[in-house]
Amino acid sequence: GNSVTQMEGPVTLSEEAFLTINCTYTATGYPSLFWYVQYPGEGLQLLLKATKADDKGSNKGFEATYRKETTSFHLEKGSVQVSDSAVYFCALSTAGANSKLTFGKGITLSVRP
Amino acid sequence: GAGVSQSPSNKVTEKGKDVELRCDPISGHTALYWYRQSLGQGLEFLIYFQGNSAPDKSGLPSDRFSAERTGGSVSTLTIQRTQQEDSAVYLCASSSTSGGGTDTQYFGPGTRLTVL
Repeated sequence: GNSVTQMEGPVTLSEEAFLTINCTYTATGYPSLFWYVQYPGEGLQLLLKATKADDKGSNKGFEATYRKETTSFHLEKGSVQVSDSAVYFCALSTAGANSKLTFGKGITLSVRP
Repeated sequence: GAGVSQSPSNKVTEKGKDVELRCDPISGHTALYWYRQSLGQGLEFLIYFQGNSAPDKSGLPSDRFSAERTGGSVSTLTIQRTQQEDSAVYLCASSSTSGGGTDTQYFGPGTRLTVL
């Protein structure tokens, strides 16, 4: 079956620090990979996605590259802001599973001024 | 345009009561998904609709849970004889196509269910 593993949290960083959140996956079939973000008091929203190997998804200064050889989709940002404080979920979907999303456990990021 | 909406936003009920949760997907989206977010289990898939049919109900935790979709639009998730372990945030998502695995799902704000 499909599964997603995220690094343990929470993570606390100072503003302008570099961020890496690790995500690895196992999948039956060829997955698409997603990062979703949940800001405090808000719903889940797509941050970025990649649908094939070596694709790089990017949005709001965040990037993640689909690495098939290491089955990874690590999220990075060069300089975090206080407004990036949120819960981040890595997820995958496969055609063979009706595109339903399989999520990692999520990680809480807190950025202090 | 309008996003996915869910109602109610919060629901408090007593153990043993039935509850209905509603989802209005983005207009024109044929695929609709229900998920549950709880502290212990994270985000879990419950059921998938394509049009009015539910080809994947594999995530429903028990036969107390059921869902329907009418007119290819609104969906209702019903939980009968609620238990305390049903307390969670129930999320609905929709996407414009389905099955290909590449589609982006757009989520509603969720319904927070508390069973006393």
